[in-house]
Amino acid sequence: DAMVIQNPRYQVTQFGKPVTLSCSQTLNHNVMYWYQQKSSQAPKLLFHYYDKDFNNEADTPDNFQSRRPNTSFCFLDIRSPGLGDAAMYLCATSTGPRETQYFGPGTRLLVL
Amino acid sequence: GESVGLHLPTLSVQEGDNSIINCAYSNSASDYFIWYKQESGKGPQFIIDIRSNMDKRQGQRVTVLLNKTVKHLSLQIAATQPGDSAVYFCAETRYTGNQFYFGTGTSLTVIP
Repeated sequence: DAMVIQNPRYQVTQFGKPVTLSCSQTLNHNVMYWYQQKSSQAPKLLFHYYDKDFNNEADTPDNFQSRRPNTSFCFLDIRSPGLGDAAMYLCATSTGPRETQYFGPGTRLLVL
Repeated sequence: GESVGLHLPTLSVQEGDNSIINCAYSNSASDYFIWYKQESGKGPQFIIDIRSNMDKRQGQRVTVLLNKTVKHLSLQIAATQPGDSAVYFCAETRYTGNQFYFGTGTSLTVIP
């Protein structure tokens, strides 16, 4: 089945230790998104790639970076995680910027 | 300010009853709306969508109604089942931009 896959499902890191979360898709969608979701809140868009074009949201901290080496994969790098970065990180894909987004299962990040 | 908001943060219904989850939006440029279901520890799952040229759309046990005059969106779930227990988000996008805006979410609990 075509899907959005996120690894790992749970990630524990130490305060200040860089961490990378990964997302892959078999949908061959042009757009890939990263969202941060904290408990009982709506997903918050961090950035997205439209093909190779990177689009950063204005309020996304510089601590968050992303890479998309090819159509199928997209990575979220957190350079120096703080306690406030503990959250669920959701990857989503869509065929276009204003089309339906399909979400992966998420990676829950814990910062110790 | 511009927002997508939900009238009720929590909703409890008896199994077998119909559920109605409401969402208000404020931007006249909003033209595409999606309802997502998010179960605990999982990513949002697409339920149903509607474009602004329609006022009603039906799926399997779900109906979305759009009232553009009062900028109101609702999700109706027929014969609610325990498996429907989740947080439901409305999301909208606008012809003036590319981003999806998520509402704050309504937590639906189905009582057996």
